Amino acid sequence: KQEVTQIPAALSVPEGENLVLNCSFTDSAIYNLQWFRQDPGKGLTSLLLIQSSQREQTSGRLNASLDKSSGRSTLYIAASQPGDSATYLCAVEWGGFNKFYFGSGTKLNVKP
Amino acid sequence: DTEVTQTPKHLVMGMTNKKSLKCEQHMGHRAMYWYKQKAKKPPELMFVYSYEKLSINESVPSRFSPECPNSSLLNLHLHALQPEDSALYLCASSQEPGLEYNEQFFGPGTRLTVL
Repeated sequence: KQEVTQIPAALSVPEGENLVLNCSFTDSAIYNLQWFRQDPGKGLTSLLLIQSSQREQTSGRLNASLDKSSGRSTLYIAASQPGDSATYLCAVEWGGFNKFYFGSGTKLNVKP
Repeated sequence: DTEVTQTPKHLVMGMTNKKSLKCEQHMGHRAMYWYKQKAKKPPELMFVYSYEKLSINESVPSRFSPECPNSSLLNLHLHALQPEDSALYLCASSQEPGLEYNEQFFGPGTRLTVL
């Protein structure tokens, strides 16, 4: 069964701290993995997509890594800011069938 | 332009009403999706259209009826909904079905309340 897990469910850090969000998946034969952020009551904003052939992707203060053999991806956020407060979701596509499996998200609170 | 638009933003309907949600993208994407999201939960996939053909239906009740009139437009027709159908309905699109670089882009959602 294909499942995506995100731990912890919630995280609170002081401003300026570097932090890591985790995403685990059960089947290593993924097609791609995508990280999103969602603000309350809003749609999802795409942050980074990692294809199965890639090990990491970077965008500004964000860096996402992928380790298929261990079934894990991490999202690293450098120098966190209060504006980074949101729920972060990862989604995995298996098989190229356009079916994306979402983790339940990590709610991040960055305290000023 | 990486925008997916959805209308209306908010919708309140009675259980006997018929209404439609609309989604539009002009990025040339060939896959479009409907998701349902309840509070504090991740999005749940409802339907996928690939090259304007319905490719995935996640056993959604028939009171939800999707339609893809062309490659840029996706509708969700609603009829005889139940209060438990109240949720945020999200539309998404992605570039090319079957490619590894199949990045999804989401719209802002329609907040649906069924009375």
